Amino acid sequence: GENVEQHPSTLSVQEGDSAVIKCTYSDSASNYFPWYKQELGKGPQLIIDIRSNVGEKKDQRIAVTLNKTAKHFSLHITETQPEDSAVYFCAASGTNDYKLSFGAGTTVTVRA
Amino acid sequence: DTAVSQTPKYLVTQMGNDKSIKCEQNLGHDTMYWYKQDSKKFLKIMFSYNNKELIINETVPNRFSPKSPDKAHLNLHINSLELGDSAVYFCASSPGSWGGELFFGEGSRLTVL
Repeated sequence: GENVEQHPSTLSVQEGDSAVIKCTYSDSASNYFPWYKQELGKGPQLIIDIRSNVGEKKDQRIAVTLNKTAKHFSLHITETQPEDSAVYFCAASGTNDYKLSFGAGTTVTVRA
Repeated sequence: DTAVSQTPKYLVTQMGNDKSIKCEQNLGHDTMYWYKQDSKKFLKIMFSYNNKELIINETVPNRFSPKSPDKAHLNLHINSLELGDSAVYFCASSPGSWGGELFFGEGSRLTVL
């Protein structure tokens, strides 16, 4: 099955700086790569996703890049704000795969 | 107007007891899931139903039994609770005939004493 590794496990950044989280996956058939944000006491919520026919996708301060050859993808958050503090999960799945495999999560703390 | 709702939000019980967690979604989605999140925040899928049919059944003890009376509901029953069952259990749903975006509930924190 798919194995997703995520680094770092914790990340502390100064407000206004950028944050980068990296993930690798094992199954070359995977072609859907979402990122979820989980705030304290809440369920995870999709913030951005990318499919294998795209190398990069941006949504305001958030961007995701995908390198299919190297089997890794990254989340970039620019101009971080205190409300960006949360646990972020990467995930991967195939086209006809109901099962989304999650990374272990990154706890991001934005210092004011 | 909650999209995916689960009850109860908190559950404290003794070892050996049987308990249930209920989940309902009003999004009209075809697929529903149960995920377990352990103390290290790791999210692991347990079960998935598509239109009331079981499509994913991970390596989960037989003490865990999902039930889907209709495509808007997916309940989780746990028999003979053990200390290691303590976790947050998340229900989720997705619209497509395969994965895609998951919409999670707020979680049910189960504590087994």
